[in-house]
Amino acid sequence: GESVGLHLPTLSVQEGDNSIINCAYSNSASDYFIWYKQESGKGPQFIIDIRSNMDKRQGQRVTVLLNKTVKHLSLQIAATQPGDSAVYFCAENISGNQFYFGTGTSLTVIP
Amino acid sequence: EAQVTQNPRYLITVTGKKLTVTCSQNMNHEYMSWYRQDPGLGLRQIYYSMNVEVTDKGDVPEGYKVSRKEKRNFPLILESPSPNQTSLYFCASSLARAGDEQYFGPGTRLTVT
Repeated sequence: GESVGLHLPTLSVQEGDNSIINCAYSNSASDYFIWYKQESGKGPQFIIDIRSNMDKRQGQRVTVLLNKTVKHLSLQIAATQPGDSAVYFCAENISGNQFYFGTGTSLTVIP
Repeated sequence: EAQVTQNPRYLITVTGKKLTVTCSQNMNHEYMSWYRQDPGLGLRQIYYSMNVEVTDKGDVPEGYKVSRKEKRNFPLILESPSPNQTSLYFCASSLARAGDEQYFGPGTRLTVT
């Protein structure tokens, strides 16, 4: 299978600070990437996506950066709030049919 | 409300007793998929379906079957469950292909003793 991993399994940030969650992927043919948020007891929830023809995409308080040279993906959350505490997954998509997920980073926001 | 539903949410069963986990979506999505989530391994794709009567193996299909007779339903079948299939299972759907935003169900926690 594909290797999609995260650099840090846990991350703690102070409320109001910015958070950066990193992800490495191994297949240079991957053409679509998604970040998901999973709260305890719930299914993953879509946050933001990016296609391989872009290197940056912004949403509301979130930014995804894609560096294809080093096969690295990051999720930046601005002004982190307690409601952002969750596990975050990156996923890569090759050929439009299959998805490969990372193992997740647990983000804890300290009030 | 647009959603993906799964039933049951929790299931404890014994080895070898056939079971089915149902998945239904009300968004007229073509693509549906099943994942299992295990500690330290993240989400792994079991099977997916591009449309009615079109199904394909994901990363970990052994021990599972699926069917897609109708667009809205995508049941996961375990013909002879084993303890290594104890896991948290998620169904997901997206509009047309895996490259579109996927909507996930609430999960089914299965324990096989």
